[in-house]
Amino acid sequence: EVQLLESGGGLVQPGGSLRLSCAASGFTFSMYAMNWVRQAPGKGLEWVSTLSGSGGSSYYADSVKGRFTISRDNSKSTLYLQMNGLRAEDTAVYYCAKDPVVGATSGFYFEFWGQGTLVTVSS
Amino acid sequence: EIVLTQSPGTLSLSPGERATLSCRASQSVSSNYLAWYQQRPGQPPRLLIYGASSRATGIPDRFSGSGSGTDFTLTISRLEPEDFAVYFCQQYGRSPRTFGQGTKVEIK
Repeated sequence: EVQLLESGGGLVQPGGSLRLSCAASGFTFSMYAMNWVRQAPGKGLEWVSTLSGSGGSSYYADSVKGRFTISRDNSKSTLYLQMNGLRAEDTAVYYCAKDPVVGATSGFYFEFWGQGTLVTVSS
Repeated sequence: EIVLTQSPGTLSLSPGERATLSCRASQSVSSNYLAWYQQRPGQPPRLLIYGASSRATGIPDRFSGSGSGTDFTLTISRLEPEDFAVYFCQQYGRSPRTFGQGTKVEIK
């Protein structure tokens, strides 16, 4: 059974930093691209970032490019999102989501989702 | 980027009724790379449909997807109590992947 467990969310001041983690199990982690998708309170869904299985290819939404960095440790089956220069508009639940296709480097639908971790940016 | 517009914003129906949800794209979605998700309160989204019409594993056959190009539809043939939720469409034919704003299916 695929399981994705996010952690690391919390309250941070504008301009601050936070690192999210997503621990994966139930599948061969290194074979799949992984994603971060966020949802502001009461709002819709926004794709944030994708990282290929090998970690060699990364993609970012324009809204976070230059501020967020996605990474992974395949030996620990864990995905990360380093968030710097946080803004009020980054306040959201951040979901880790698995791509469906073995070996793909980017963009499909989101096959499985974690429960999410809430990031609140406020002074 | 491709903008997805879902309609209606809210659908008020009774259990047992048929629900028809629309998703319209600002540009043609290549290869019908269109997915649908269900989100219940306090839960993450759950994949229902991919490739416009293929049901994900474990999804009941009362859920069906159709459409091509710029117009897509999610149909729930007979609403069960657990189907009252918010539904999102998402395109993955062109980067960046984008979502519609959602349709809420509520109990009438």
